[in-house]
Amino acid sequence: DVKVTQSSRYLVKRTGEKVFLECVQDMDHENMFWYRQDPGLGLRLIYFSYDVKMKEKGDIPEGYSVSREKKERFSLILESASTNQTSMYLCASSPQVSGREQYFGPGTRLTVT
Amino acid sequence: QKEVEQNSGPLSVPEGAIASLNCTYSDRGSQSFFWYRQYSGKSPELIMFIYSNGDKEDGRFTAQLNKASQYVSLLIRDSQPSDSATYLCAVSRTLNDMRFGAGTRLTVKP
Repeated sequence: DVKVTQSSRYLVKRTGEKVFLECVQDMDHENMFWYRQDPGLGLRLIYFSYDVKMKEKGDIPEGYSVSREKKERFSLILESASTNQTSMYLCASSPQVSGREQYFGPGTRLTVT
Repeated sequence: QKEVEQNSGPLSVPEGAIASLNCTYSDRGSQSFFWYRQYSGKSPELIMFIYSNGDKEDGRFTAQLNKASQYVSLLIRDSQPSDSATYLCAVSRTLNDMRFGAGTRLTVKP
């Protein structure tokens, strides 16, 4: 079974803090993704990575950055957290073949106060 | 127009009935189609994928794809209370452009 883990299930941070969310997958997948999920808006892609040290912006990259130093690990960084970044953050991974299914981690519910 | 549209529901069916979930998409170049189930407070879980026109069956689940009509559906036969969840439709053309619908909330009543 594919296993995608995220460093925290719940996180509370203050406005202006730098926040790190980490994701690890154990299936040797090339592709990894970060989404946020908000009620009524569905899942929105923040960034994705198709290889180590490679990254591409998704639909809503503003206020976020990412790091992929190792194949199994993909980190999402909120440079200066703001209240509008309060959300559920979901990491996913998929095999290299284009259009293949994505497997999700358990999610991190981030609250910025 | 949203890229992937789903009726938000809630869709309520009695236990044992067939639940029918529908999804339309706007990108005619879409190649891959997925259904995810998401329980409240949990992350999405892949339950079906379909790439070709027609039906694909897996246990109690059947995915139906009609690319000409830009329509994909999910049928759940013999619905159980444990099927109560939000079902997300996802559509993909290439690697990085998977688009999700906002989901349909299904309630199966005992």
